Amino acid sequence: EDQVTQSPEALRLQEGESSSLNCSYTVSGLRGLFWYRQDPGKGPEFLFTLYSAGEEKEKERLKATLTKKESFLHITAPKPEDSATYLCAVQGGSEKLVFGKGTKLTVNP
Amino acid sequence: DVKVTQSSRYLVKRTGEKVFLECVQDMDHENMFWYRQDPGLGLRLIYFSYDVKMKEKGDIPEGYSVSREKKERFSLILESASTNQTSMYLCASSLAYRARNTEAFFGQGTRLTVV
Repeated sequence: EDQVTQSPEALRLQEGESSSLNCSYTVSGLRGLFWYRQDPGKGPEFLFTLYSAGEEKEKERLKATLTKKESFLHITAPKPEDSATYLCAVQGGSEKLVFGKGTKLTVNP
Repeated sequence: DVKVTQSSRYLVKRTGEKVFLECVQDMDHENMFWYRQDPGLGLRLIYFSYDVKMKEKGDIPEGYSVSREKKERFSLILESASTNQTSMYLCASSLAYRARNTEAFFGQGTRLTVV
């Protein structure tokens, strides 16, 4: 059974304090690993897809990396507007996405 | 931009009512999904559809049914609403598994309260 575990559950940073969120996964035949951002009361917003170990993608202050067992979402010099819940999901041998429970990030000014 | 639109942002229904949640996507995606999201439990898949009139159960299908008569529209039906179905419901769509880019795009969510 495909599984995704995200850590930490919650992370509080000061503005400008860089850090990383972790997504550990087990899946039979990784098709893709996905990162989403979710603001309170809204649907998840797609950020990145990673397909194979060693791949990296960047968008503004965010950088996602992938190994065979985990993915990291690095946040460089975060701003308060980066506060959100970040979700990780994997797709294995079917059409379904399996989600982790998310990391709630709070960036204080 | 991909757009997935859910018919309501907020709904309040009474116990025992039949409830319809509607979702429309405009990107000609083959796959459509219904999730519910609850604090501490994350996103859980209720049903998904990979083609018109085709459907598969997800992890928590009990108490729900779905309908997909047209490619762009996927409906979630609560046959007899109960208080434990109070939740945030999220619809998503994606290209089929054989495509390169299979990321799912979500609607804005429907906050359903059953009283």
